Amino acid sequence: SAVISQKPSRDICQRGTSLTIQCQVDSQVTMMFWYRQQPGQSLTLIATANQGSEATYESGFVIDKFPISRPNLTFSTLTVSNMSPEDSSIYLCSVESSGGAEDTQYFGPGTRLTVL
Amino acid sequence: QKEVEQNSGPLSVPEGAIASLNCTYSDRGSQSFFWYRQYSGKSPELIMFIYSNGDKEDGRFTAQLNKASQYVSLLIRDSQPSDSATYLCAVYSGGYQKVTFGTGTKLQVIP
Repeated sequence: SAVISQKPSRDICQRGTSLTIQCQVDSQVTMMFWYRQQPGQSLTLIATANQGSEATYESGFVIDKFPISRPNLTFSTLTVSNMSPEDSSIYLCSVESSGGAEDTQYFGPGTRLTVL
Repeated sequence: QKEVEQNSGPLSVPEGAIASLNCTYSDRGSQSFFWYRQYSGKSPELIMFIYSNGDKEDGRFTAQLNKASQYVSLLIRDSQPSDSATYLCAVYSGGYQKVTFGTGTKLQVIP
């Protein structure tokens, strides 16, 4: 399985500011995903980040609010822009790793964001 | 109808018992099925995956898949207090071309 790291692990931010979350993988992967997990909720996919192309956003998420970069096959960033308290959540990076016959998804440790 | 449904629990079982966690899904074209364990404050950890009808065993864990009934389950034998966590069912749908997660079942193993 891939080893995934995220920075920062947690942050407390002021309303109206932006935070960029970094995701680093120890091997080259084609598919990287960004999820949000709000308190007591399950995972919600924000977008799929593919190297060399624009990220694909899920319904309810837009590029202006959550710009994503994917400069190479081991790294991606997610920016949470113009934050409000409703953006307080855990943000998770995930990668799709080929483990034989089928692909599986593995998760980074997450970034716990609190917006005041 | 939600794409992936799980009972939120909590499901309480005594130590040493079998815990049975269930999941149903709506897309008949779903191809791959995953169980993740998530401890409080931690990220999800993949514990099992299954692609074919039937049972798949790995240690104390058994995943069961019935595509005709659109049902996947996870059995945990000899449950331990360390198994107490939220278990997320995830389904890869070829139609949607993405993995969809259920809301998770909270399992409590009582010593």
